Order: sequence, then C-alpha cells, then structure tokens
Amino acid sequence: AQKITQTQPGMFVQEKEAVTLDCTYDTSDQSYGLFWYKQPSSGEMIFLIYQGSYDEQNATEGRYSLNFQKARKSANLVISASQLGDSAMYFCAMREGFLANFGNEKLTFGTGTRLTIIP
Amino acid sequence: ETGVTQSPTHLIKTRGQQVTLRCSSQSGHNTVSWYQQALGQGPQFIFQYYREEENGRGNFPPRFSGLQFPNYSSELNVNALELDDSALYLCASSLGTSLNLDPGELFFGEGSRLTVL
Repeated sequence: AQKITQTQPGMFVQEKEAVTLDCTYDTSDQSYGLFWYKQPSSGEMIFLIYQGSYDEQNATEGRYSLNFQKARKSANLVISASQLGDSAMYFCAMREGFLANFGNEKLTFGTGTRLTIIP
Repeated sequence: ETGVTQSPTHLIKTRGQQVTLRCSSQSGHNTVSWYQQALGQGPQFIFQYYREEENGRGNFPPRFSGLQFPNYSSELNVNALELDDSALYLCASSLGTSLNLDPGELFFGEGSRLTVL
C-alpha cells in the first residue's frame, strides 16, 4: 500500500485564490511527522511546513497552513492568496518513528501535485 | 540557499559505466541522506549516513553505495549503470539528532541530473 497518496497530479488556480493540495498517509507508528515541500524547476526541495503526530494545533507558516485530520489520516496543504511564484511541484512526505531511531531522517514522499497559478 | 551543494549538476553516462555524485553539507550536519527522483515521481530514499556509517537503506541494490567524510562531504556511487538509473539525485543533510524537534532542519541540494544512454 502507498504510504503517501497525492491524488491530484495537476491543478490550475487563479492568482490570489486559495488552493488546497490533498495528501493522505498510511502508518502504524504512533510517532510520525508530516512535511510539505515545494520543488521548483531548479530541483531543490524547499521545506514549507511540518505537522507532528502529537501536535494538537494545525501548523501554520505564513500563507501556508496544514489541515491535519489524524483520524482520517489526511494532511492537506492550504495556500492562501496564491501568487505566480507558487507555481511548482508540491510533495507531501512522512517521517516515521523519528523519536525511536537515532539520526533517522528517512522521508517517504508522495508522487506530487503540479500547481500552476494563472494570472 | 540551503548551504548544501551538489556536483555535477548534469551528466551523461552510458549503460554499464560507473558514476560518482558529490554533496557538500553544512558544517555540523552529521547526517546525510540520498534520494533518487525519477521523472514525474517523488524522491525515493536510497540510504542515509550518520557520522560516516550507513544507518538506513531503502530498496536499492548494492551497486548503489556511499561514503561520508569528516569534512561534511559525501559521495553516492553507482556501478554498472542501467537505463532506469536516469534520474535526479538529491542529497539532504541535517543535524541528525533523535530529538530533532525542528524538522525544517533537513536541507536539500539542487540535485545532480543523471542521464544513462
């Protein structure tokens, strides 16, 4: 079974509108972390936002927020007031058991969503 | 700017050849991990090194090997290249503590794009 599922291969959104990128995950660990990364055409993975499995509040970072629904195992990224510079690939990723494994930084990524902002 | 640099940025090899990709991490980053990203896919974990020892490996054959050096640089070596090895190879570094409560501290380079003909 896929550990990280991103069901939207591509999305087109009008500039200044909000957009939600979907992510569902599968794990049996109690301790895990969920990440969203942005990958522009240059290839670099840019960290956007993080949600820990024990965090009770949804994470927010500027225009980015993470809609974390633990029972449904979903961690959707919400981008408010989209900008042309937001056009890129977006990846959801998970790190499992990071409190148990010293130095464990392994991330499992989804297949990504290509977001295009239309002027 | 993440402070992680990778070289070369692009290279072309033929099937059966060997390749070495390099990564220079931030000073103090004890953990480096390597990912393979095929076209149109998400990155796949290859392996991770912590203080010069491999301490985690994904589903990749032994012809994928690595080294980590005391000066925070590392290498990914791939022997007997196959066509399916064509991909973007990403290096990521971090402080690598089990109580890393600042997950933004995983820094990626811009990758090395390998084409195997």
